[in-house]
Amino acid sequence: DTEVTQTPKHLVMGMTNKKSLKCEQHMGHRAMYWYKQKAKKPPELMFVYSYEKLSINESVPSRFSPECPNSSLLNLHLHALQPEDSALYLCASSQDSTGDYGYTFGSGTRLTVV
Amino acid sequence: GESVGLHLPTLSVQEGDNSIINCAYSNSASDYFIWYKQESGKGPQFIIDIRSNMDKRQGQRVTVLLNKTVKHLSLQIAATQPGDSAVYFCAEAYLYNFNKFYFGSGTKLNVKP
Repeated sequence: DTEVTQTPKHLVMGMTNKKSLKCEQHMGHRAMYWYKQKAKKPPELMFVYSYEKLSINESVPSRFSPECPNSSLLNLHLHALQPEDSALYLCASSQDSTGDYGYTFGSGTRLTVV
Repeated sequence: GESVGLHLPTLSVQEGDNSIINCAYSNSASDYFIWYKQESGKGPQFIIDIRSNMDKRQGQRVTVLLNKTVKHLSLQIAATQPGDSAVYFCAEAYLYNFNKFYFGSGTKLNVKP
């Protein structure tokens, strides 16, 4: 298995809702990442987990809460989002924290906040 | 790299021609670079990488050139095919902090049949 699987593919949520994005990989990668991508813009790093511990938080608002239950799973919990948080949320993984050989990205979750 | 707002630079080429996509990176301390291809509705896909101790690396139909003096990276695609149509991003990272990649603003490649 050489894929990163993200669910759901699409999500529409209200500003008072609580939802979660899920990411899974079975490549034995020990680093996992959340990126946010707005239309026609490059991906922007949000969080990095290395060996299941949060190693980087790029000053992301607390309405986004990451979780890494085990080395294969990465979640992003969403609460009280704003319409400007609508974007494509990408999960990625790499072999280890050096990121060597680049990331493997999932296809993303298209999030719309109404 | 800086965002270019709502308009991506676009490169249009004829099928079969060679394509050259350029990227100016920002951090002179960066020493690992990757090119990604992103098709509509999909996540970025790894194409080729290069370390700063190299100035050229070749893959299948693709070549990456690195000019550290002017902080410039290019991706050459030989015999461009319609399936190459996508947005291409370069990404840079700093040694010992590889898990923090920064993406350039992207170039849209449009291949005309």
